[in-house]
Amino acid sequence: AQSVTQLGSHVSVSEGALVLLRCNYSSSVPPYLFWYVQYPNQGLQLLLKYTTGATLVKGINGFEAEFKKSETSFHLTKPSAHMSDAAEYFCAVSDRTNAGKSTFGDGTTLTVKP
Amino acid sequence: ETGVTQSPTHLIKTRGQQVTLRCSSQSGHNTVSWYQQALGQGPQFIFQYYREEENGRGNFPPRFSGLQFPNYSSELNVNALELDDSALYLCASSFASAQETQYFGPGTRLLVL
Repeated sequence: AQSVTQLGSHVSVSEGALVLLRCNYSSSVPPYLFWYVQYPNQGLQLLLKYTTGATLVKGINGFEAEFKKSETSFHLTKPSAHMSDAAEYFCAVSDRTNAGKSTFGDGTTLTVKP
Repeated sequence: ETGVTQSPTHLIKTRGQQVTLRCSSQSGHNTVSWYQQALGQGPQFIFQYYREEENGRGNFPPRFSGLQFPNYSSELNVNALELDDSALYLCASSFASAQETQYFGPGTRLLVL
Protein backbone atom coordinates (compact mmCIF):
# COMPACT_ATOMS: atom_id res chain seq x y z
CA ALA A 1 0.00 0.00 0.00
CA GLN A 2 1.09 3.55 -0.63
CA SER A 3 0.31 6.78 1.14
CA VAL A 4 1.15 10.46 0.96
CA THR A 5 1.30 13.00 3.76
CA GLN A 6 1.38 16.67 2.95
CA LEU A 7 2.57 18.65 5.94
CA GLY A 8 0.58 21.83 6.32
CA SER A 9 -2.84 22.16 4.79
CA HIS A 10 -2.31 25.90 4.36
CA VAL A 11 0.90 27.76 3.54
CA SER A 12 1.11 31.53 3.21
CA VAL A 13 4.08 33.39 1.72
CA SER A 14 4.77 36.90 0.55
CA GLU A 15 5.24 37.65 -3.11
CA GLY A 16 8.91 37.09 -3.96
CA ALA A 17 9.52 34.75 -1.02
CA LEU A 18 10.57 31.13 -1.16
CA VAL A 19 7.80 28.58 -1.58
CA LEU A 20 8.27 25.24 0.23
CA LEU A 21 5.51 22.65 0.21
CA ARG A 22 6.26 19.44 2.04
CA CYS A 23 5.40 15.90 0.99
CA ASN A 24 6.33 12.60 2.56
CA TYR A 25 5.36 9.29 1.06
CA SER A 26 5.20 5.67 2.00
CA SER A 27 5.75 2.96 -0.58
CA SER A 28 6.95 -0.63 -0.39
CA VAL A 29 8.31 -0.45 -3.95
CA PRO A 30 10.29 2.19 -5.85
CA PRO A 31 7.79 4.97 -6.42
CA TYR A 32 6.84 7.41 -9.07
CA LEU A 33 6.18 10.79 -7.46
CA PHE A 34 4.16 13.72 -8.75
CA TRP A 35 3.15 17.26 -7.92
CA TYR A 36 -0.06 18.65 -9.36
CA VAL A 37 -1.62 22.11 -9.12
CA GLN A 38 -5.34 22.78 -9.06
CA TYR A 39 -6.84 26.20 -9.60
CA PRO A 40 -10.42 26.90 -8.43
CA ASN A 41 -13.06 25.03 -10.41
CA GLN A 42 -10.46 23.35 -12.60
CA GLY A 43 -8.88 19.94 -12.96
CA LEU A 44 -5.35 18.99 -12.04
CA GLN A 45 -2.28 20.11 -13.97
CA LEU A 46 0.96 18.19 -13.71
CA LEU A 47 3.76 20.39 -12.38
CA LEU A 48 6.52 17.80 -12.35
CA LYS A 49 7.20 14.12 -11.84
CA TYR A 50 9.98 11.86 -10.66
CA THR A 51 10.28 8.48 -12.34
CA THR A 52 13.94 7.50 -12.51
CA GLY A 53 17.32 9.18 -12.85
CA ALA A 54 18.14 12.61 -11.49
CA THR A 55 16.60 13.16 -8.10
CA LEU A 56 16.21 16.92 -8.59
CA VAL A 57 13.30 17.41 -10.92
CA LYS A 58 12.44 20.66 -12.62
CA GLY A 59 8.89 21.41 -13.63
CA ILE A 60 6.78 24.14 -15.11
CA ASN A 61 6.39 27.67 -13.78
CA GLY A 62 9.76 27.61 -12.02
CA PHE A 63 8.93 24.81 -9.59
CA GLU A 64 11.28 21.99 -8.69
CA ALA A 65 11.28 19.05 -6.30
CA GLU A 66 13.91 16.71 -4.92
CA PHE A 67 13.39 13.01 -4.34
CA LYS A 68 15.11 11.97 -1.12
CA LYS A 69 14.78 8.25 -0.65
CA SER A 70 16.38 8.23 2.80
CA GLU A 71 13.84 10.75 4.04
CA THR A 72 10.94 9.41 1.93
CA SER A 73 10.30 12.99 0.91
CA PHE A 74 9.50 14.89 -2.27
CA HIS A 75 9.23 18.53 -1.24
CA LEU A 76 8.22 21.18 -3.79
CA THR A 77 10.05 24.49 -3.96
CA LYS A 78 10.08 27.71 -5.93
CA PRO A 79 12.63 30.44 -5.25
CA SER A 80 10.29 33.38 -5.70
CA ALA A 81 6.50 33.26 -5.34
CA HIS A 82 4.19 35.04 -7.77
CA MET A 83 0.60 35.99 -7.11
CA SER A 84 -0.41 33.58 -9.86
CA ASP A 85 1.01 30.67 -7.82
CA ALA A 86 -1.91 30.87 -5.39
CA ALA A 87 -3.68 27.53 -5.79
CA GLU A 88 -4.06 24.07 -4.26
CA TYR A 89 -1.11 21.71 -4.64
CA PHE A 90 -1.28 17.94 -4.48
CA CYS A 91 1.52 15.44 -4.04
CA ALA A 92 0.88 11.94 -5.40
CA VAL A 93 2.61 8.57 -5.51
CA SER A 94 2.20 5.50 -7.65
CA ASP A 95 4.14 2.33 -8.20
CA ARG A 96 5.92 1.79 -11.47
CA THR A 97 3.62 -0.91 -12.74
CA ASN A 98 0.48 1.09 -11.96
CA ALA A 99 1.53 4.62 -12.83
CA GLY A 100 -2.00 5.63 -13.79
CA LYS A 101 -3.42 4.69 -10.40
CA SER A 102 -2.08 7.37 -8.15
CA THR A 103 -2.56 7.92 -4.44
CA PHE A 104 -2.89 11.59 -3.57
CA GLY A 105 -2.28 13.63 -0.45
CA ASP A 106 -4.97 15.90 0.94
CA GLY A 107 -3.45 18.98 -0.61
CA THR A 108 -1.84 22.22 0.50
CA THR A 109 -3.47 25.56 -0.22
CA LEU A 110 -0.86 28.17 -1.10
CA THR A 111 -1.71 31.80 -0.45
CA VAL A 112 0.55 34.53 -1.83
CA LYS A 113 0.39 37.90 -0.11
CA PRO A 114 1.26 41.09 -1.99
CA GLU B 1 -4.85 18.78 -30.08
CA THR B 2 -8.02 18.45 -28.00
CA GLY B 3 -7.59 18.07 -24.26
CA VAL B 4 -9.62 15.95 -21.88
CA THR B 5 -13.24 17.05 -21.65
CA GLN B 6 -15.96 16.03 -19.22
CA SER B 7 -19.70 16.47 -19.17
CA PRO B 8 -21.76 17.70 -17.56
CA THR B 9 -19.87 20.31 -15.54
CA HIS B 10 -22.38 20.28 -12.70
CA LEU B 11 -25.13 17.89 -11.68
CA ILE B 12 -27.66 17.70 -8.87
CA LYS B 13 -29.26 14.38 -7.98
CA THR B 14 -31.26 13.01 -5.08
CA ARG B 15 -30.33 10.08 -2.89
CA GLY B 16 -31.09 6.72 -4.49
CA GLN B 17 -30.90 7.98 -8.06
CA GLN B 18 -28.41 6.88 -10.70
CA VAL B 19 -25.95 9.11 -12.55
CA THR B 20 -23.75 8.84 -15.64
CA LEU B 21 -20.72 11.04 -16.10
CA ARG B 22 -18.83 11.26 -19.37
CA CYS B 23 -15.22 11.78 -20.33
CA SER B 24 -13.59 12.30 -23.69
CA SER B 25 -9.92 11.40 -23.61
CA GLN B 26 -7.13 13.41 -25.16
CA SER B 27 -6.56 12.40 -28.76
CA GLY B 28 -4.75 9.06 -29.05
CA HIS B 29 -4.87 8.19 -25.35
CA ASN B 30 -6.04 4.63 -24.75
CA THR B 31 -6.14 4.55 -20.95
CA VAL B 32 -8.52 6.44 -18.68
CA SER B 33 -8.59 6.65 -14.90
CA TRP B 34 -11.42 8.04 -12.80
CA TYR B 35 -10.97 9.80 -9.47
CA GLN B 36 -13.35 11.11 -6.80
CA GLN B 37 -12.35 14.32 -5.02
CA ALA B 38 -14.44 15.12 -1.96
CA LEU B 39 -14.44 18.68 -0.69
CA GLY B 40 -11.17 19.51 1.05
CA GLN B 41 -9.51 16.24 0.12
CA GLY B 42 -7.22 14.89 -2.54
CA PRO B 43 -8.49 12.78 -5.42
CA GLN B 44 -9.11 9.10 -4.71
CA PHE B 45 -8.60 6.51 -7.44
CA ILE B 46 -11.85 4.80 -8.44
CA PHE B 47 -10.82 2.63 -11.39
CA GLN B 48 -8.94 2.54 -14.65
CA TYR B 49 -10.00 1.35 -18.09
CA TYR B 50 -7.75 0.05 -20.86
CA ARG B 51 -8.91 -1.63 -24.07
CA GLU B 52 -12.50 -1.31 -22.89
CA GLU B 53 -11.89 -3.41 -19.77
CA GLU B 54 -11.47 -2.46 -16.15
CA ASN B 55 -7.78 -2.51 -15.30
CA GLY B 56 -7.65 -1.95 -11.58
CA ARG B 57 -10.05 -0.57 -8.98
CA GLY B 58 -9.63 1.40 -5.82
CA ASN B 59 -11.62 1.02 -2.63
CA PHE B 60 -15.03 1.77 -4.13
CA PRO B 61 -18.16 -0.43 -4.05
CA PRO B 62 -19.61 -2.16 -7.12
CA ARG B 63 -22.31 0.48 -7.50
CA PHE B 64 -19.50 2.51 -9.09
CA SER B 65 -19.04 1.11 -12.59
CA GLY B 66 -17.59 2.27 -15.85
CA LEU B 67 -17.34 1.81 -19.56
CA GLN B 68 -14.73 2.62 -22.15
CA PHE B 69 -15.72 2.86 -25.79
CA PRO B 70 -13.71 2.03 -28.95
CA ASN B 71 -13.06 5.73 -29.48
CA TYR B 72 -11.55 5.80 -25.95
CA SER B 73 -14.30 7.94 -24.49
CA SER B 74 -15.48 6.74 -21.11
CA GLU B 75 -18.39 6.78 -18.69
CA LEU B 76 -18.62 6.56 -14.94
CA ASN B 77 -21.92 5.25 -13.61
CA VAL B 78 -22.98 5.46 -10.00
CA ASN B 79 -26.11 3.64 -8.81
CA ALA B 80 -28.09 4.15 -5.63
CA LEU B 81 -26.54 7.54 -4.94
CA GLU B 82 -25.65 8.38 -1.36
CA LEU B 83 -25.06 11.80 0.18
CA ASP B 84 -21.35 11.01 0.53
CA ASP B 85 -21.09 10.61 -3.24
CA SER B 86 -21.20 14.40 -3.50
CA ALA B 87 -17.79 15.29 -4.93
CA LEU B 88 -15.82 16.44 -7.93
CA TYR B 89 -15.29 13.53 -10.32
CA LEU B 90 -12.17 13.73 -12.42
CA CYS B 91 -11.09 11.65 -15.35
CA ALA B 92 -7.52 11.43 -16.54
CA SER B 93 -6.27 9.99 -19.81
CA SER B 94 -2.87 8.71 -20.84
CA PHE B 95 -1.08 6.40 -23.21
CA ALA B 96 -0.86 2.88 -21.78
CA SER B 97 2.90 2.97 -22.34
CA ALA B 98 3.27 6.29 -20.48
CA GLN B 99 0.71 6.26 -17.69
CA GLU B 100 2.98 8.39 -15.52
CA THR B 101 1.84 11.34 -17.61
CA GLN B 102 -1.88 11.72 -17.05
CA TYR B 103 -3.93 14.60 -18.40
CA PHE B 104 -6.89 15.55 -16.23
CA GLY B 105 -10.20 16.93 -17.32
CA PRO B 106 -11.91 19.83 -15.53
CA GLY B 107 -14.21 17.49 -13.63
CA THR B 108 -17.92 17.07 -13.00
CA ARG B 109 -19.20 18.40 -9.72
CA LEU B 110 -21.96 16.15 -8.37
CA LEU B 111 -24.24 17.19 -5.55
CA VAL B 112 -26.47 14.55 -3.98
CA LEU B 113 -29.39 15.87 -1.94
